[in-house]
Amino acid sequence: NAGVTQTPKFRILKIGQSMTLQCTQDMNHNYMYWYRQDPGMGLKLIYYSVGAGITDKGEVPNGYNVSRSTTEDFPLRLELAAPSQTSVYFCASSYYRIQSERGIGNTIYFGEGSWLTVV
Amino acid sequence: DAKTTQPPSMDCAEGRAANLPCNHSTISGNEYVYWYRQIHSQGPQYIIHGLKNNETNEMASLIITEDRKSSTLILPHATLRDTAVYYCIVRVSNSGGYQKVTFGTGTKLQVIP
Repeated sequence: NAGVTQTPKFRILKIGQSMTLQCTQDMNHNYMYWYRQDPGMGLKLIYYSVGAGITDKGEVPNGYNVSRSTTEDFPLRLELAAPSQTSVYFCASSYYRIQSERGIGNTIYFGEGSWLTVV
Repeated sequence: DAKTTQPPSMDCAEGRAANLPCNHSTISGNEYVYWYRQIHSQGPQYIIHGLKNNETNEMASLIITEDRKSSTLILPHATLRDTAVYYCIVRVSNSGGYQKVTFGTGTKLQVIP
């Protein structure tokens, strides 16, 4: 069971280039997330998805695009890379369902991170 | 949005209990409180979660106040390996009923030898 797998682990981009960070999970989770973490800061939610074909913006979506064509995959697209996008990116997934009697919630599983530098 | 507030940093002597507080005064009645920690630049690691009652597992204990507006994560015997940033989070529902999970800035716990 691989869990959440992100690729690439490290990448250097030039300003204006585009790239896609890949994320796949093998736990049949319905929710998937992309976060970024700048040095010394907390995690910021970029986009998330509640299932195939459904995505929603997080706290810092500008400059990014996502798609969710399958349950397993949730790629993050960077268009026209800028130095401000230099960060560590984390993909995550969880299985969410409403448990009306006991409350709602479930555990989020994170990938190992992708280090992106834009120069 | 339900938000959490945590102190930015704390120190704890090795072997002593570390008590990390979190305020979540706008939490909804049926939403869990989750705690994660992040060591260096690794992906955050799940620690524990709770709804109303106190919870304990092999890693930590979670004390939730009766009004659910705050909670405390307790590491009973802190070790140097517990030095990390600890995040308290709650889920936030948007208008479509989707669950957005946002992290605050967390508490940087430094365990001192």
